[in-house]
Amino acid sequence: DGGITQSPKYLFRKEGQNVTLSCEQNLNHDAMYWYRQDPGQGLRLIYYSQIVNDFQKGDIAEGYSVSREKKESFPLTVTSAQKNPTAFYLCASVRRGSYEQYFGPGTRLTVT
Amino acid sequence: GQQVMQIPQYQHVQEGEDFTTYCNSSTTLSNIQWYKQRPGGHPVFLIQLVKSGEVKKQKRLTFQFGEAKKNSSLHITATQTTDVGTYFCAVLRGGSEKLVFGKGTKLTVNP
Repeated sequence: DGGITQSPKYLFRKEGQNVTLSCEQNLNHDAMYWYRQDPGQGLRLIYYSQIVNDFQKGDIAEGYSVSREKKESFPLTVTSAQKNPTAFYLCASVRRGSYEQYFGPGTRLTVT
Repeated sequence: GQQVMQIPQYQHVQEGEDFTTYCNSSTTLSNIQWYKQRPGGHPVFLIQLVKSGEVKKQKRLTFQFGEAKKNSSLHITATQTTDVGTYFCAVLRGGSEKLVFGKGTKLTVNP
């Protein structure tokens, strides 16, 4: 079965620690995206990547970092510089020539 | 930058009633997408509209794109408890591959 996996589903961290969220896809999609969702809010774009070894900042990139060393993988690091990291993080991918986004199940990060 | 206003923010209906959510933009859109997110779940793509005045149907769901391509609506006929969730519209930011999402309409259905 093709799809996007994100792990873990729930993640708890202490303030001041960096944490990396995993996103893997076997859909052979070129583009991958990271969004943040807060209660009652839409999705806000953190980073996106159209191709391996290239990525661009979205609207709220401060305090986050990404890498795209493989087509299948687009991990997101939430650094200690992110002031309000507690949120639901969603990864998505898009097939070339399409704009339809396929989302992973998400990771709920809680930082205390 | 590109923004879309989605209304209402919340809608509570009795099972069997109809439901409509609207998405409005101040600028002309190249296309618009609709997604559904079940409680605790992730957004799932429903449809994409591209043409002016386009109307598409999926069973009890009807999607419309305005003639001026500045607004869109999603209408559900005779809601069921399985329709519960948040419905988002999303539009392409001008000249980019990035989607801008509306804040969503949260639908609850009383059985």
